[in-house]
Amino acid sequence: QKEVEQNSGPLSVPEGAIASLNCTYSDRGSQSFFWYRQYSGKSPELIMFIYSNGDKEDGRFTAQLNKASQYVSLLIRDSQPSDSATYLCAVNILVREYGNKLVFGAGTILRVKS
Amino acid sequence: ETGVTQSPTHLIKTRGQQVTLRCSSQSGHNTVSWYQQALGQGPQFIFQYYREEENGRGNFPPRFSGLQFPNYSSELNVNALELDDSALYLCASSLGYSEAEAFFGQGTRLTVV
Repeated sequence: QKEVEQNSGPLSVPEGAIASLNCTYSDRGSQSFFWYRQYSGKSPELIMFIYSNGDKEDGRFTAQLNKASQYVSLLIRDSQPSDSATYLCAVNILVREYGNKLVFGAGTILRVKS
Repeated sequence: ETGVTQSPTHLIKTRGQQVTLRCSSQSGHNTVSWYQQALGQGPQFIFQYYREEENGRGNFPPRFSGLQFPNYSSELNVNALELDDSALYLCASSLGYSEAEAFFGQGTRLTVV
C-alpha cells in the first residue's frame, strides 16, 4: 500500500464549479498535511496546510481532515482556468528521532474548462 | 517567490558522469531537504540537512550525497549518473528540523543521456 494515495485524474470541472480533490494516507501517526499546486514544468507551491480534524478555509480553498478515516481533501470553490494544474497531497512523517520529511502522492491533474 | 533559489535550472549530463546541484535556502531557514521528482510522479525525499548535518535520508543509494554550509545553503551531488536519474530535483527549506512547512525552489531539471 502506498503511503499517500491520490486519484491521478484528470478531474475536469467547468469554470465556476467546485473542484473536490481527495487523498488518503497510511501512517496513523502523521500530524501535518499539505496541499501543493504544481503547474507544468514548475516546482510545487504550498497552498494549504492542516493539522487538526475538521475544515480550514483560506479564500477559495478549503482543506478537510479526518484522521480517523485517514483522509484529507481540498475543495476549490469558483474554479478558474488558472487553477488548472496538478495538485499534490503531502503528509509529514518523522525521520529518526527528530526531523521530518514530506511524503507525496502522485498528484491529481485538475482541468478547469471555460 | 519563496526565496529558495536553485542552480542551474537545466542540465544535461552523460551516463557515468557526476553532477552537483546547488540551493540557497530562504532567509532565516536552517533546514534544507532535497527531493527527486520523476515525470508524472510526486516528489520523493532524498535527504535533509540541519545545521550542516544529515538529518534523515530516503531510499536513495550512497552515490547521492549532500552538504550544507554554515550559511545554510546546500549541495546535492550525484555520482555515476544513470539514465533513471533524469528528473526534476527540488530543494525545500524550512524554519527548523521540526517545522513541517517547506517551501520549494524552482528546481533543477536534470537530463541524463
